[in-house]
Amino acid sequence: QVQLVQSGAEVKKPGSSVKVSCKASGGTFSRYAVSWVRQAPGQGLEWMGGIIPIFGTPNYAQKFQGRVTITADESTSTAFMELSSLRSEDTALYYCAREAFGSGYYDDWGQGTLVTVSS
Amino acid sequence: DIQMTQSPSSLSASVGDRVTLTCRTSQTITTYLNWYQQKPGKAPKLLIYATSSLQTGVPSRFSGSGSGTDFTLTISSLQPEDFATYYCQQSYSTSRSFGQGTKLEIK
Repeated sequence: QVQLVQSGAEVKKPGSSVKVSCKASGGTFSRYAVSWVRQAPGQGLEWMGGIIPIFGTPNYAQKFQGRVTITADESTSTAFMELSSLRSEDTALYYCAREAFGSGYYDDWGQGTLVTVSS
Repeated sequence: DIQMTQSPSSLSASVGDRVTLTCRTSQTITTYLNWYQQKPGKAPKLLIYATSSLQTGVPSRFSGSGSGTDFTLTISSLQPEDFATYYCQQSYSTSRSFGQGTKLEIK
């Protein structure tokens, strides 16, 4: 059974960047796509972008274009999400989620990484 | 990006009730629509994919229907463990998107 294990909570200053990792423990990203979804406190789910690790080309939501970078290292089955120019509104729980290639749905989720942006 | 609108935003119901949640999209997505359940402090859980296919292990009281721009999730007889927030998600576009959620509360 594959588990997606994310890096730990982060506290960042406004204007800085954060990089969150997501490792497929007990499996690989072969034939999967990985997306990043965030959830601000008390709010809904927001898709940020995704990547198909074997191809390496990311796809971003318009809202985050220019501020988010999603990468993946297939050799270590790890995906990364870096968000720059952080502001207080970026305080949220960030999830990675795995999608069987072409399925369109997320049947595996990481545990979430809390990113707090505060001066 | 495709916009997703769920209604109602919240709903109060009783155990045993039949409830229907709605998701509307800003453009046609054929049947590329998925539903998730989220409980406080937990990651979302896939319930239904491709509009009407039940994910393995999900009780048969959950069902989905629709096509084009209008979709529904129905719970035929609410159980105590069903009180949660439900999200729809489209996979028609490579830029995925979620609805804002419907919070299902106990009456």
